[in-house]
Amino acid sequence: KNQVEQSPQSLIILEGKNCTLQCNYTVSPFSNLRWYKQDTGRGPVSLTIMTFSENTKSNGRYTATLDADTKQSSLHITASQLSDSASYICVVRRESGGGADGLTFGKGTHLIIQP
Amino acid sequence: DTGVSQDPRHKITKRGQNVTFRCDPISEHNRLYWYRQTLGQGPEFLTYFQNEAQLEKSRLLSDRFSAERPKGSFSTLEIQRTEQGDSAMYLCASSYKDTEAFFGQGTRLTVV
Repeated sequence: KNQVEQSPQSLIILEGKNCTLQCNYTVSPFSNLRWYKQDTGRGPVSLTIMTFSENTKSNGRYTATLDADTKQSSLHITASQLSDSASYICVVRRESGGGADGLTFGKGTHLIIQP
Repeated sequence: DTGVSQDPRHKITKRGQNVTFRCDPISEHNRLYWYRQTLGQGPEFLTYFQNEAQLEKSRLLSDRFSAERPKGSFSTLEIQRTEQGDSAMYLCASSYKDTEAFFGQGTRLTVV
């Protein structure tokens, strides 16, 4: 069964601190993995995409890693800001042919940045 | 604004009433997706269109739900005889083939 598990479920850190969010998946065959940021009451917005051959990719203060062998990804946030408070959703796409949207969503990590 | 647009943003309705939501995708995108998201959960797939053809429906989409995309552009999602369990955020996304799916802001439905 194709699944995406995220941890922790929620996280509270102080402004300026770093944090790392985890994503483990069983989706196969793997196509790509995206991290989305979803502000409360809004739709998800893509932060980064990881393909099979990529190990790490940065987008400003966000750095995503992918270990395709262990089927794990992480999202590291550096020097957190209050505006980073949001849900972060890991989404894995499988290769075409297995169903319509091919996307499996994690439940997200709810991150709260405290001043 | 050239992003995915959803209307309305919020809808409060009485149980048993029908509601209809609209989604306008990014203009060159041929794929359109509907998802439902409840509090603390990730989006759950409901249905998907490629151009005007509805290619797949999740079993979450009961007989009370119907979606259309008549001209391969905008789409509507109708819920008949709403129930309290239908309260959720309904997200629409669009993409060009298998490229990145862009999400709309969602329609938050509250059934009272």
